[in-house]
Amino acid sequence: DVVLTQTPPTLSATIGQSVSISCRSSQSLLHSNGNTYLNWLLQRPGQPPQLLIYLVSRLESGVPNRFSGSGSGTDFTLKISGVEAEDLGVYYCVQSTHAPPTFGGGTKLELK
Amino acid sequence: EVKLVESGGGLLKPGGSLKLSCVASGFTFSNYWMHWVRQAPGKGLEWIGEIEYDGTETNYAPSIKDRFTISRDNAKNTLYLQMSSVRSEDTATYFCTTLEAWGQGASVTVSS
Repeated sequence: DVVLTQTPPTLSATIGQSVSISCRSSQSLLHSNGNTYLNWLLQRPGQPPQLLIYLVSRLESGVPNRFSGSGSGTDFTLKISGVEAEDLGVYYCVQSTHAPPTFGGGTKLELK
Repeated sequence: EVKLVESGGGLLKPGGSLKLSCVASGFTFSNYWMHWVRQAPGKGLEWIGEIEYDGTETNYAPSIKDRFTISRDNAKNTLYLQMSSVRSEDTATYFCTTLEAWGQGASVTVSS
């Protein structure tokens, strides 16, 4: 199975600070059809996960544009340009290029 | 609006059985592979299984293989998870998901 390693496991930020989360894959997530099936999710406390970014860099409808995704192959990054209080929670990367789908271990974003 | 609504969670004893349902709306259910993902208390996300568009193919994680069964009824836009021979380690919130859209989750507690 593909292993996704997220760093850091915990991130402390102040409101307005820009932060990045890394997701590294044990193998390339480039599918033979040319797509890279790497999504980013946010799970706020007590809530289900919600989609932020799909196909590496495409912003889900309704998600603020302070969120951005980048990367290719095995290295991917989620950036938040100016953290807001509502951004606190646990961020997960998930891949579905290779079966079975796998999740990163999560990055908890906290207020400093 | 895309919506996934799980039901059927509850408390059961080790060795017992339970069936979760997930009703989908707002998208063409029969066009999507559907997945079940679980989250043990305080832990990350664990993919446990998936079912193809018309239900002819299913795949399971080793942790639940031969104990849980995934099925679907496209006429009712409903996904199912039949849980059998449950163990304490099956205690979790169970999410149905397309890996983009997520339900709110159904809580399952296995305890004697």
